[in-house]
Order: sequence, then structure tokens, then C-alpha cells
Amino acid sequence: EVQLLESGGGLVQPGGSLRLSCVASGITFTGYIVNWVRQAPGRGLEWVSGISDGDGNTYYADSVKGRFTISRDNSKNTLYLQMNSLGPEDTAVYYCVKGGRATNQVFDFWGQGTLVTVSS
Amino acid sequence: EVVLTQSPATLSLSPGERATLSCRASESVITYLAWFQQKVGQAPRLLIYDASKRATGIPARFSGSGSGTDFTLTISSLEPEDFAVYYCQQRYNWPPVTFGGGTKVEIK
Repeated sequence: EVQLLESGGGLVQPGGSLRLSCVASGITFTGYIVNWVRQAPGRGLEWVSGISDGDGNTYYADSVKGRFTISRDNSKNTLYLQMNSLGPEDTAVYYCVKGGRATNQVFDFWGQGTLVTVSS
Repeated sequence: EVVLTQSPATLSLSPGERATLSCRASESVITYLAWFQQKVGQAPRLLIYDASKRATGIPARFSGSGSGTDFTLTISSLEPEDFAVYYCQQRYNWPPVTFGGGTKVEIK
């Protein structure tokens, strides 16, 4: 069974930092692009960031560029998201999402999400 | 950025009825469009990719069509478990990957 398990969410003050992790089981991240997608409470889906394998190219939404850093460790089948300078607008459930080969962004597997709350 | 506009925002139907959901793109995305279903408290689930290809395990009552800027998701006969929110997503012109605002299919 394929599972993506996110962790690292929680309550953080404005201006603070958090690091999210996503561990895959039943599937390997190797060779696939992997992403973070978030969903603010009661709102729609927003793609946040993606990282390809091989060349390791990274991609960001304008709303997080310069504040968030995505990375991966294929040996641990793990995806990360370092989030700095957090603001209330970053409050959301963050989903780890597997894409396809290379930069084929077919989002076929999603984790259950981890909630990030930015509040004083 | 490609903007996806979904309509209607809410669709009120009864089990057994046909549901037709629309997604319009601000520019052509060829057929690089997907549909997701999201139930309350759950992660989204891929239903359709590349406009018309059903994902693994998706029932045949779900079908997708369209190309360019206009796309449709059809549920031929609604089952009780189909009442949920549906999102479209484009991957033709990215970054950013973009999603539509969603259509809620509710029980009438």
C-alpha cells in the first residue's frame, strides 16, 4: 500500500519557522517529481513547491519564494519543506504529493496532510 | 499564470442523477488537465488526468472531456459516496501548477 506520511506541522508564531517532512512507503520517490500543496481552512488547493529528481530543480509559488525551501533525500524516501518568515497567510494543511516521471505533474498520490497554524 | 474557473460553485443533485462540472482555462492547456475529488477531512484523490484518462481504480461513471480551454467532468449516475468537492488542475504551463476554485456537489 502506498502511503505518504507528513509530519512537522504545528502552531508557530508569526515570523517563525517550521520544517515539514514527508516519508513515502510502498513507493519510491526516485525518478519522480514531488511537491507540496496546501489548503487554507475552508479554501481551495494551492500548489506551493516542487522538486524534480536527477537535476534536483526546484520550483516555487510566488507566494512562498524566498521564504520556503524544498529538498529531498531519496536514500530516506523523504521530502522536506523548510518554511521561514511564516505569516498568518501560511496557515493551512500541507499535503505531500507525488508527481510523475521527470517533470510530469500528474498528482497521483497524496498524503493526509499536516496542519500548520501561524498565530500569536 | 493559467487561471482555472470552475462552474457552478455548487451543484445540488439527487443520487442517480447525472452531474456535469465545468472547468475553463484562461489560456490553452491542450489536454494537460486533471480532476480531483475531495471529501471532508480527506486528501484530494486523482480521478481523471490528461483530460479524459481515468486514474487507477476510478469507476467508469466518472468521465472527462475537453481540450484547449474548456473541460468537463461528468458523473453519469451519482452514488451517495460521490457527494464531495471537485477540483480541476492544469500542468501544461507551470510553474505554477494551478487549481480551479472547486465545485461542491451536494445532495438535493
